[in-house]
Amino acid sequence: RKEVEQDPGPFNVPEGATVAFNCTYSNSASQSFFWYRQDCRKEPKLLMSVYSSGNEDGRFTAQLNRASQYISLLIRDSKLSDSATYLCAPGFQKLVFGTGTRLLVSP
Amino acid sequence: EPEVTQTPSHQVTQMGQEVILRCVPISNHLYFYWYRQILGQKVEFLVSFYNNEISEKSEIFDDQFSVERPDGSNFTLKIRSTKLEDSAMYFCASRNQPQHFGDGTRLSIL
Repeated sequence: RKEVEQDPGPFNVPEGATVAFNCTYSNSASQSFFWYRQDCRKEPKLLMSVYSSGNEDGRFTAQLNRASQYISLLIRDSKLSDSATYLCAPGFQKLVFGTGTRLLVSP
Repeated sequence: EPEVTQTPSHQVTQMGQEVILRCVPISNHLYFYWYRQILGQKVEFLVSFYNNEISEKSEIFDDQFSVERPDGSNFTLKIRSTKLEDSAMYFCASRNQPQHFGDGTRLSIL
């Protein structure tokens, strides 16, 4: 089983749509969880940390299910600028990335 | 907002040559990392560094690789004898928590 699994996509959505990404991880000892976004040929940029109780930051909502080793990201009211690859990253001392999920938001 | 800076942005090197990639982590961060991303593939962990020593390294980080914090601000990755397969984006990151990434060095081995 891969350490981190994500649907590579692409997810093609119109502006204003709501889209959700999922991620599963294999290391049950993972203590911290993050979502990063990566634009083409750029560095990963922290989108948000993921807390056990779930957390929201504007249009973005992250959920963690430790029992199922599952992390999700919900984006509401998608903008063109949300087009990017979204990387799930469990880890503490080091981050373990999946291949990411590519999102394309169209007008 | 403080950021991680990396130089050069692009390095072209002949196979077999040594290359040094440089990073200036965020000043109050204590943990430093190198990752790499081969074109079209995922970001892969190479090495973590804390308290002036390597705390963890991956299988990729073999004897050809080394890291150093030569002074209070720089953090370097050296590849002793580059191979074609070392061509990738190399990202430096630092943290207290969470990790922040530099904008990367594109390494091209000819």
